[in-house]
Amino acid sequence: AQKVTQAQTEISVVEKEDVTLDCVYETRDTTYYLFWYKQPPSGELVFLIRRNSFDEQNEISGRYSWNFQKSTSSFNFTITASQVVDSAVYFCALSDFGTGANNLFFGTGTRLTVIP
Amino acid sequence: GAVVSQHPSRVICKSGTSVKIECRSLDFQATTMFWYRQFPKQSLMLMATSNEGSKATYEQGVEKDKFLINHASLTLSTLTVTSAHPEDSSFYICSARQDEYYGYTFGSGTRLTVV
Repeated sequence: AQKVTQAQTEISVVEKEDVTLDCVYETRDTTYYLFWYKQPPSGELVFLIRRNSFDEQNEISGRYSWNFQKSTSSFNFTITASQVVDSAVYFCALSDFGTGANNLFFGTGTRLTVIP
Repeated sequence: GAVVSQHPSRVICKSGTSVKIECRSLDFQATTMFWYRQFPKQSLMLMATSNEGSKATYEQGVEKDKFLINHASLTLSTLTVTSAHPEDSSFYICSARQDEYYGYTFGSGTRLTVV
């Protein structure tokens, strides 16, 4: 069965600090996709990244970076030099072929608060 | 990029009435659409998966007679909450998937309040 665990429920950091959001996943499939989404207070889900299971290269996009490690089934997300606008709930999600419909399984989310 | 339009963004209805939420893919054809429900400070829970032209597949515990899903075309899926009650108050969000590009595009969500 698929499972996504985001152990950190809430994190508070002071502006300009770096912060890492953890994500651990479980799946029986060898082919799967991992995602991160941002949900600001307005509610919409903002796509941040998609990673397939065959690509373990870390990725950097501006102040965002992602560390994918299959050996530990983790897909962690780091925000460098955090800003107040980064305050949101961040969801890690998994999609595999187990169900055939390729549903997205979401973690419980991490609420990040960046204090000015 | 792919855009999914979801309407209405907010709706308040009286208990016992029905509410319809629309989800449209604006610039792509979505053979599969997903409906999620999110309670305050909780994660998104998949309610059902709908494929164009066929009946929706509901997750365990989701009442199919209460949450009617119609996916009549490749660009439109609707969720109707029938005989709504206060416990149905929640944030509902749809997602559309493109076959040729393995990605999910989310609507902006609908906040339903039943009074």
